[in-house]
Amino acid sequence: AQSVSQHNHHVILSEAASLELGCNYSYGGTVNLFWYVQYPGQHLQLLLKYFSGDPLVKGIKGFEAEFIKSKFSFNLRKPSVQWSDTAEYFCAVERTDKLIFGTGTRLQVFP
Amino acid sequence: ETGVTQTPRHLVMGMTNKKSLKCEQHLGHNAMYWYKQSAKKPLELMFVYSLEERVENNSVPSRFSPECPNSSHLFLHLHTLQPEDSALYLCASSRDRGNKYGYTFGSGTRLTVV
Repeated sequence: AQSVSQHNHHVILSEAASLELGCNYSYGGTVNLFWYVQYPGQHLQLLLKYFSGDPLVKGIKGFEAEFIKSKFSFNLRKPSVQWSDTAEYFCAVERTDKLIFGTGTRLQVFP
Repeated sequence: ETGVTQTPRHLVMGMTNKKSLKCEQHLGHNAMYWYKQSAKKPLELMFVYSLEERVENNSVPSRFSPECPNSSHLFLHLHTLQPEDSALYLCASSRDRGNKYGYTFGSGTRLTVV
């Protein structure tokens, strides 16, 4: 079945560590790709998006993601995480005019 | 505030009750969505409305009934729910369907069915 996969369900890091969260999708053809973040008790917020052009996209709060078409991947990265990055991160693919989400990755950052 | 407002924030209802969830946006968006967020599962798209017309119903049981009276308001009417329907229900809107710019989400309604 076509899907969006986030293989890391729970990631625990210390502050200043580097972060990479994996996202793979199984849809062929043109897709638009997104990362959303949900801070504890808050709504889903758009972190960054890709739909064409430079495959390395930069988002808010120092996050970036790289689209690798050959690997059907759109991994999220941040060189140095902060305690305030503790949240749940969702990868999403826009396909046939709707957003399909992955299961999410819970990130905990300890001081 | 995101521009998408959902009420109530929390709802506890019995299996025989009838209740409604409300979503409101004044962003000038033409498309609105209901998603269900359950623990350890992907967000599930339930319904899509575009220009007040339902354009998608993702095999959602009939005990969930959406209504979109105008482009700013979206309701989800609930009746005879089951305990497994307990979840966070999220409303979202976008400028149009197929919007490359992403969706704006509300804070959700936490529903508990007892």
